[in-house]
Amino acid sequence: DAKTTQPPSMDCAEGRAANLPCNHSTISGNEYVYWYRQIHSQGPQYIIHGLKNNETNEMASLIITEDRKSSTLILPHATLRDTAVYYCIVRPVSGNTPLVFGKGTRLSVIA
Amino acid sequence: KAGVTQTPRYLIKTRGQQVTLSCSPISGHRSVSWYQQTPGQGLQFLFEYFSETQRNKGNFPGRFSGRQFSNSRSEMNVSTLELGDSALYLCASSPALAKNIQYFGAGTRLSVL
Repeated sequence: DAKTTQPPSMDCAEGRAANLPCNHSTISGNEYVYWYRQIHSQGPQYIIHGLKNNETNEMASLIITEDRKSSTLILPHATLRDTAVYYCIVRPVSGNTPLVFGKGTRLSVIA
Repeated sequence: KAGVTQTPRYLIKTRGQQVTLSCSPISGHRSVSWYQQTPGQGLQFLFEYFSETQRNKGNFPGRFSGRQFSNSRSEMNVSTLELGDSALYLCASSPALAKNIQYFGAGTRLSVL
């Protein structure tokens, strides 16, 4: 079973920041938070991951609370192409643990 | 660098038949994982191969099997197809040391009639 909880759906206006929350209250000390997204009819795409510090890359920013029980993925300027299902996954950074996908959040970016 | 390539993209089979799906990982990636995606169950892990050895297996019946070749290419086979095997089958590859980031192909959509 997935160790994360996400809202089933969210809307965001084009050009605005999209903030996608994720709850992972049972996260272990050696587990990272990974975010993937799946655009319709495509395979999932890796976005970003982090342990406890905030992370930023060319796609998004990841904010992890100090107690690590929740995180927020931020798409700073959402476009229509960001419409997708976003998955938050908790997983050790090393070892052979497979990705366990929950139901994710369906983000709809509206013009 | 070419991405993960899955063939074929679409496949139609009938109940009782068997099917083989192919996955070519990103060059240099030695780990290949397979997932099944259905509307009801979502994305579920099937198995993972690393250096031609299966090192992880999900909770699927023995009709689902796979293998990996010395060039890291992988195949998965489903025998005695059932209607419920209709799904999008996704392959993902990962380098040996890359913080477990997986790169997915576009998938093979299998329809069982």
